[in-house]
Amino acid sequence: GAVVSQHPSRVICKSGTSVKIECRSLDFQATTMFWYRQFPKKSLMLMATSNEGSKATYEQGVEKDKFLINHASLTLSTLTVTSAHPEDSSFYICSAAGGYNEQFFGPGTRLTVL
Amino acid sequence: AQTVTQSQPEMSVQEAETVTLSCTYDTSESDYYLFWYKQPPSRQMILVIRQEAYKQQNATENRFSVNFQKAAKSFSLKISDSQLGDAAMYFCAYRSAFGNYQLIWGAGTKLIIKP
Repeated sequence: GAVVSQHPSRVICKSGTSVKIECRSLDFQATTMFWYRQFPKKSLMLMATSNEGSKATYEQGVEKDKFLINHASLTLSTLTVTSAHPEDSSFYICSAAGGYNEQFFGPGTRLTVL
Repeated sequence: AQTVTQSQPEMSVQEAETVTLSCTYDTSESDYYLFWYKQPPSRQMILVIRQEAYKQQNATENRFSVNFQKAAKSFSLKISDSQLGDAAMYFCAYRSAFGNYQLIWGAGTKLIIKP
């Protein structure tokens, strides 16, 4: 099956700093990538959808200036959490789609903001 | 707008027995896909099974099978011969046959396996 990597798997940062999370499709070209946030024991909450070479489409309530998404190539999308605060602490998951009838998920990134 | 409902926050089953997880959905579309995903403690999302709405035959994958009732908009997952490794959160998801692969998620069911 298709493989999606996500880096880093865990990150701890100080309040006010920015953190970048990378999502890569390793063996297929991802025309569309999704970024999710997941709170403990809850379902996945879609934050934004990005298409290669286009601006991301953010879901209602997601601050586009805080969560910067770049999908510069067919194998890489990045999520940058700018000026992170403790309330941004969460589990972030990316997924990629392209040529298959399903999304393939990265292993997730646990962000802790102190 | 489409919605997915999982009414069982938690289910438990004895090892080696069978358990059924429920999922209902609402849509006005006739062509779509339905999925069951497993999220173990590692939190990696794993596709368990997929059903295309145009197919009348229920999908099966080894010990996992679905009961797809299109008219009732029901999509339950049956796990036979439950194993300790089946313990996880299970999410039901809907995807339109058109558009950009976006998934609509249920709230999830936590499955506990009793040894």
